[in-house]
Amino acid sequence: QKEVEQDPGPLSVPEGAIVSLNCTYSNSAFQYFMWYRQYSRKGPELLMYTYSSGNKEDGRFTAQVDKSSKYISLFIRDSQPSDSATYLCAMSVNTGGFKTIFGAGTRLFVKA
Amino acid sequence: NAGVTQTPKFRILKIGQSMTLQCTQDMNHNYMYWYRQDPGMGLKLIYYSVGAGITDKGEVPNGYNVSRSTTEDFPLRLELAAPSQTSVYFCASRYYGQSTGELFFGEGSRLTVL
Repeated sequence: QKEVEQDPGPLSVPEGAIVSLNCTYSNSAFQYFMWYRQYSRKGPELLMYTYSSGNKEDGRFTAQVDKSSKYISLFIRDSQPSDSATYLCAMSVNTGGFKTIFGAGTRLFVKA
Repeated sequence: NAGVTQTPKFRILKIGQSMTLQCTQDMNHNYMYWYRQDPGMGLKLIYYSVGAGITDKGEVPNGYNVSRSTTEDFPLRLELAAPSQTSVYFCASRYYGQSTGELFFGEGSRLTVL
C-alpha cells in the first residue's frame, strides 16, 4: 500500500465549477499536510498548508484534513482557466530530515 | 535572490554514461532534497541532506549519489545511466525552523537516457 494515494485524473471541469481534489494516507505519524500546484514544465509551488485536522480557507481555496479518516481534500471555488495545473498533495513529519511524501498529483483542466 | 537554481535544464545521455545535476540555493536553507518525477507517479525522494557533510537516502536512491560540501550546493551524480533514469529531476530546499514545512523547488532538469 502506498503511503499517499491520489487519483491522477485528468479532471476536466467548466469555468466556475467547484473542484474537489482528495488524497488518502496510511501513515498516522504525518503532521503537516500540504497542497502544491505545478504548472506545466515548472517546479511545484506551495498552495495551502495545514498542521492539524479541520478546515483552512484562503480566497477561493479551502483545505480540509480529517486525521481520523486519514483523508485530506482541496476545494477550489469558482474555478478559472488559470487554475489548470497539476495539484499534488504532500505530507511530512518533523523528524528524520522532514521528508515530504507526495501523492501522484491530479491534472486539472478548467475549460473557458 | 534567485531561490533554487538547477543546471542543466535538459540533457540527453547514452546508456552507461555518467553526469552530475547541479543544484544551488541562495536562501541559506539547511535542508536540501532531490526528487524525481515520472508521469502519473508524483515526486519520489532520491536523497536528502540536513546540512553540509550530512546526506541520507530517500525512497529511490539506487543508481544515484550525492554530496553536500557547502550549505548552498547539493549535486546529484548519476553513474552508469540507464533508461529507467529518464525522468524530470527536481531539487528542493527548506529552512529548519520554518513552521509551514514548505519546500522551495527549482525549475527541474529533464533527463533522457537513450
